[in-house]
Amino acid sequence: NAGVTQTPKFQVLKTGQSMTLQCAQDMNHNSMYWYRQDPGMGLRLIYYSASEGTTDKGEVPNGYNVSRLNKREFSLRLESAAPSQTSVYFCASSTYRGETQYFGPGTRLLVL
Amino acid sequence: SQQGEEDPQALSIQEGENATMNCSYKTSINNLQWYRQNSGRGLVHLILIRSNEREKHSGRLRVTLDTSKKSSSLLITASRAADTASYFCAPFATSYDKVIFGPGTSLSVIP
Repeated sequence: NAGVTQTPKFQVLKTGQSMTLQCAQDMNHNSMYWYRQDPGMGLRLIYYSASEGTTDKGEVPNGYNVSRLNKREFSLRLESAAPSQTSVYFCASSTYRGETQYFGPGTRLLVL
Repeated sequence: SQQGEEDPQALSIQEGENATMNCSYKTSINNLQWYRQNSGRGLVHLILIRSNEREKHSGRLRVTLDTSKKSSSLLITASRAADTASYFCAPFATSYDKVIFGPGTSLSVIP
């Protein structure tokens, strides 16, 4: 039982490049979330998926897209990376929205 | 959306002392959760307290909820160096659709 897994753990991109961050959970949770955390700050919600087949914008969705591939997997895509997207990205899941969230280990992204 | 505001922003105590952090929010809620984040890691859930509960315990943690004052507190008793982390509250209500984390309280426990 791995919980929430994220790949990759670390990535360096050049401005304008694209990439997809992968997240998977094996807890049969309905809801999944993507957050970013900048140094010394709290988490900011990018997108979330309350249930399979639905996605909604969070606080800071600009520059990102998401796909809820199935119940287990929720990916985050940066179409054209910018230095302002340098951050640590966390994926989380919960049984339902508003219930306890379980977090992955994070992906550290550096955009040059 | 609903955001919890933690207070103080930073707290430094000696090992063995108690640490108290507070959280305020603005609208009625269904539950409120507390999370811990060790440096460079993901958040770990500590306690969930529902709106019809006033106090909850888990080991050295004690959480209170005062819905009339729209506030919650997290007490860590007999703190240890390993408690050094950031602590976040996350209020939730079904009337709004997502949890927004506040900036957190940074706790330093000095050995």
